[in-house]
Order: sequence, then structure tokens, then C-alpha cells
Amino acid sequence: SQTIHQWPATLVQPVGSPLSLECTVEGTSNPNLYWYRQAAGRGLQLLFYSIGIDQISSEVPQNLSASRPQDRQFILSSKKLLLSDSGFYLCAWSLGQGTGNTIYFGEGSWLTVV
Amino acid sequence: GNSVTQMEGPVTLSEEAFLTINCTYTATGYPSLFWYVQYPGEGLQLLLKATKADDKGSNKGFEATYRKETTSFHLEKGSVQVSDSAVYFCALRTMTTDSWGKLQFGAGTQVVVTP
Repeated sequence: SQTIHQWPATLVQPVGSPLSLECTVEGTSNPNLYWYRQAAGRGLQLLFYSIGIDQISSEVPQNLSASRPQDRQFILSSKKLLLSDSGFYLCAWSLGQGTGNTIYFGEGSWLTVV
Repeated sequence: GNSVTQMEGPVTLSEEAFLTINCTYTATGYPSLFWYVQYPGEGLQLLLKATKADDKGSNKGFEATYRKETTSFHLEKGSVQVSDSAVYFCALRTMTTDSWGKLQFGAGTQVVVTP
């Protein structure tokens, strides 16, 4: 069966520090990968989407970037964090782009920028 | 563009009460519809889905029917438990030039079930 792991689960970072959140999917190949953010009291915002290695689309211009160095690995980064980057970050995956295909989410990473 | 509208929360219920969370959508093409649930401090879990009109998704006592004529996908459960306390998200997925199969979420509805 397929599983998705992301880490770290929680982190507190000072403003201006770098960020790296990592996500891996196991039990499948060539998944579509996603990064979402959920700010406090708000809905989910899609940040990045990837259909393959080094094929990444950015949904919203911001202080963050994403990379996919391997087929099942997706990394969210920032060179200098802002207070507004605080939130709950969710990695997700799906097989193909068929509209009926389910998108599965990881457990999330809580980021607090202080 | 595509959008999902959910009823605002929080919705507070007593145990064994009937739950309905309204969800309506606007979409081009033929979307698939989903309900996700987020328990406190956790990620999102798929609760149920429907991929075409008149389909009914069901899981864990929850049901939702894809109503194309009213563009709705309301979530219902006949008898809620304290363990159903969570945030529920309605979402759609459609394939258009500018959506490339991404999930479009509603704002979420918090449900609180009291003993």
C-alpha cells in the first residue's frame, strides 16, 4: 500500500532563517505531488504542484520554493522566512490527473515563525 | 473559475443528533466531488467522494449525493458521535486548462459534538 511521510512534524523558526520541509511517498511510482498551506483559521491554499522530476508549477508567488530531486520526494524550501509563512503545511500525492483520482495527504508540518 | 462554498461553522451538536453540512459548487467541465475530514492536529483524510452526477459516496456513516441540477454535495450523518468532532472540507476536482486536476477546497466547517 502507498504511504506518505513528511517531516519535521513541528518546527519553530526565527524570521529570516531558512526552511526545508521534506515529503516522501512510498509504494507507488510517478505520483503527482502537491504542497498545500493552511493558515490559522483559514482554508487550504495550493502552493506547488509537480507531475514529474523537476516539473514544478507554482500556484501563488511567494517566499517559498519547491524541488523534486527524486520521483517520490518533494521538498518545500525558503531562504528567508517571514512571519506570514507560519501555518500548517501539507504534502499530498495522487496518481495521474484524472478528476476522480483521490489526492492523499500527509500528516502535516506545523511551522511557527517567530 | 471553480469555487466551493460551505456553510460556516462552528456547528455544535449533541451526540446522536443528525448532521448536515451544506456544500455547493461552481465549476466548468465535469468535476469530481470530495469530502475530507481533519481531526485536531492532523492532516486531511478522505471521507468520501463521488465522480459523476447522482453518485452517492458513503463512509463511516456519512453520506453525500452528487446533485448536478442543484450543484450540491451536502454531507449528512444520521447519528453523530463525539469522535466526529473535526473540520470537514468539501472539495472539487476538474480538468480544465487552468485547473490541471488540482483540488479546489471550501473554507471548511468545524463540527463540535458534545456528550
